[in-house]
Amino acid sequence: DAGVTQSPTHLIKTRGQHVTLRCSPISGHKSVSWYQQVLGQGPQFIFQYYEKEERGRGNFPDRFSARQFPNYSSELNVNALLLGDSALYLCASSLELGRHYGYTFGSGTRLTVV
Amino acid sequence: AQSVTQLGSHVSVSEGALVLLRCNYSSSVPPYLFWYVQYPNQGLQLLLKYTTGATLVKGINGFEAEFKKSETSFHLTKPSAHMSDAAEYFCAVSERTSYDKVIFGPGTSLSVIP
Repeated sequence: DAGVTQSPTHLIKTRGQHVTLRCSPISGHKSVSWYQQVLGQGPQFIFQYYEKEERGRGNFPDRFSARQFPNYSSELNVNALLLGDSALYLCASSLELGRHYGYTFGSGTRLTVV
Repeated sequence: AQSVTQLGSHVSVSEGALVLLRCNYSSSVPPYLFWYVQYPNQGLQLLLKYTTGATLVKGINGFEAEFKKSETSFHLTKPSAHMSDAAEYFCAVSERTSYDKVIFGPGTSLSVIP
């Protein structure tokens, strides 16, 4: 079975641009969460989606948005990129909401803003 | 608010020696607790989790952790370190709420010396 897949794996953008990151969860997993991991730090929670609805949001500005599609895949969008947005963006899927099975993470998208 | 503290940003052990990675949490109620491992340029992999029941939890690759409510701790141990254990380890907590927001600690980098 395929694990959590994220695309692209690496991305370089210029300040002020927009970026879209994509995630496909494990087959059968209905919940997708997004995390930002700055170099040398632990992942920071951005969003959680379940059944196409936002169920949780971290302390990130409105430049960050996301959505989940009927097939449970998800997109993370970041507008007006800043240098500080450079990070590894991780997608994690879980079977259900609130059951704390533990996440399965993708390998991430490395975003560099120049 | 929940928080996670990992004592020691970097730990070095000799191959075959005991591995002890420390984790303390701050939460108003006992949370769900997790340990994740991250190898270079990869996503995070769930090592083990505590949700309820037995306080000594066994995970993959010979790791185990013990939940001590009185000490608000969830330290990770392995009796004998292997070279392949060298990686970044993250302790994480999640409130027993309707969604799975997970708060990660800052991480501990484990080096194994031959």
